[in-house]
Order: sequence, then structure tokens, then C-alpha cells
Amino acid sequence: DTAVSQTPKYLVTQMGNDKSIKCEQNLGHDTMYWYKQDSKKFLKIMFSYNNKELIINETVPNRFSPKSPDKAHLNLHINSLELGDSAVYFCASSPQMGRADTQYFGPGTRLTVL
Amino acid sequence: QKEVEQNSGPLSVPEGAIASLNCTYSDRGSQSFFWYRQYSGKSPELIMSIYSNGDKEDGRFTAQLNKASQYVSLLIRDSQPSDSATYLCASRKGGYSTLTFGKGTMLLVSP
Repeated sequence: DTAVSQTPKYLVTQMGNDKSIKCEQNLGHDTMYWYKQDSKKFLKIMFSYNNKELIINETVPNRFSPKSPDKAHLNLHINSLELGDSAVYFCASSPQMGRADTQYFGPGTRLTVL
Repeated sequence: QKEVEQNSGPLSVPEGAIASLNCTYSDRGSQSFFWYRQYSGKSPELIMSIYSNGDKEDGRFTAQLNKASQYVSLLIRDSQPSDSATYLCASRKGGYSTLTFGKGTMLLVSP
């Protein structure tokens, strides 16, 4: 059973389009995250949600809008895609946002904007 | 401003040797430190966490933390070719903070 799953795995689209990435975790965790890993492999937090509530938004452009319908799902919608949005997007979850929490990452979604 | 710094490598070691990976952090408020391993094209997976000064051992892996020097390291004993990956160091403050990652060090273990 996949603990943290993401769809799609690959996404190729044109500039200006709107796209969504879905994430689901079956671990019963309270907290979920979106990370962006750029071409230089730098992994940077975008958002974190705790029990469906937005906790952290790390100065991400408002073209990016996360949505958490329930605590097992955290989706990412991106409007007006730009070339610089090309990256691998990882969803992650953790039991809670405590000091010792372990984050489990999904397989990633490779987004290519042409 | 980078908060977690790592040498990007690659660090090349022969099979059976000890690999030493280093990381420094700038935020003295950081309380927890993590090492993640990321194989090419895969997602990061946690291999070690450390919260207190000193050493923490888990199998072939030893994490070391020195808060006074703001320094974290990971030693991999008896390195295997399967250890070849990028190792990401991460730090975390308390409360509702998230992980801050370094750019990672690529480790290559040659047979």
C-alpha cells in the first residue's frame, strides 16, 4: 500500500495553462505539506496544512492555491503556469508538527512547462 | 539567505570506506536535525534524526551534532554502492515550523 500518493507522476503543459496535482495519504497523519524541488535539487517548503487548516505559506505566488478537503488529501492548483514553475513537486505528511515528527514523502510530480 | 549549507559534491569513496557528510546551519533557533537520502528520480527518505549534542548511531549510520559550532554530520561506515545517492541535511525550529533543507551532497561509492 502506498503511504503518500500523488497524481499525476508527470505533467507536461503549455505556459498560461491551469493545472492541478493531487495528493493523498493513508497514514492517518494530521499534517501535510507541499515542497518544490528545482533543477538544482533544492527542496523548498511551499505550504503546510494541519487538520485541513493552512499553517504555513512560504511566500509562494498566489497563482498557487492549495486545497485540503479533508486531512487525508492536499491538492495543489496552479494558475497561469510559467516556465519557472517547471520542477518536481513533492507532497509529504507527518503525524503532527511536533519537534520529532518524521515526514513521509510522496513519489513526486514532475511538472514541465513549455 | 541560505540557512542550511552543504557541499554539493560529489563525494567519492571506495566500497567499504567511511563516508563523511557535513552540514552547517545558520539559525541558532534550530532544534531538530535530519538526514534524508534521495536516490536519483526518487523521493527523499529519512535515515537519521538528531536533537541533542553528541553522536547517535543506527546501524552503519552515525549522526553527529554540535550546536555550539552549528554543525551536523553523517558518517556512513562500510559504504556500499547502494549508498550512492544525494544526502539532504535539514533543520527545524520548534512549534509549527517546517523543515529547511540544504541543497544536498551527492555521494558516489565505487565498487
